[in-house]
Amino acid sequence: AQSVTQPDIHITVSEGASLELRCNYSYGATPYLFWYVQSPGQGLQLLLKYFSGDTLVQGIKGFEAEFKRSQSSFNLRKPSVHWSDAAEYFCAVGANAGYSTLTFGKGTMLLVSP
Amino acid sequence: EAQVTQNPRYLITVTGKKLTVTCSQNMNHEYMSWYRQDPGLGLRQIYYSMNVEVTDKGDVPEGYKVSRKEKRNFPLILESPSPNQTSLYFCATTSSRGMSHGEQYFGPGTRLTVT
Repeated sequence: AQSVTQPDIHITVSEGASLELRCNYSYGATPYLFWYVQSPGQGLQLLLKYFSGDTLVQGIKGFEAEFKRSQSSFNLRKPSVHWSDAAEYFCAVGANAGYSTLTFGKGTMLLVSP
Repeated sequence: EAQVTQNPRYLITVTGKKLTVTCSQNMNHEYMSWYRQDPGLGLRQIYYSMNVEVTDKGDVPEGYKVSRKEKRNFPLILESPSPNQTSLYFCATTSSRGMSHGEQYFGPGTRLTVT
């Protein structure tokens, strides 16, 4: 069975500083990997996804993620955080390209300090 | 406008009283899913559907039922709700085609409280 670990429950970053959110997955075949963001009281929005090809994936809002098969990781990065990035971030791994079964991590809450 | 709608958005009910949460999408997506979100647990998949009349269990199906009689609708049914089903519920849809294939489009959520 697939699983996702997000080791950090909370992270606080100063506005303008760089950000890296960690994600480790367990899946027996080629993983389909996703990062979603959830703002308070909202649904989830896709930031980026990795299916194959270039291991560095660009997403919306200036985010990127790097797939490292040897480390079973898919960490999310942003070079300069804005106050509006404060939200909860979820990493997910999907079987069948995520069309049907999608397993989420428990989330990392990002706090942005002035 | 591409939309996933859920109704009701908020519901307080009592143990044992059957309820249905509706989900409807206007994107002609084949795949639809139900998730529940609980603090510290992230989102867990309850049921999913790959097309009309095709449904399967997710990770936490106990106490829930679904049906997919039309492509656009995927209702979640709680035949006898219990307090441990108090949660935030999300419906999501996706397609296997097009540039956004695999991207889950989420509804706004339904906050359910069972007393």
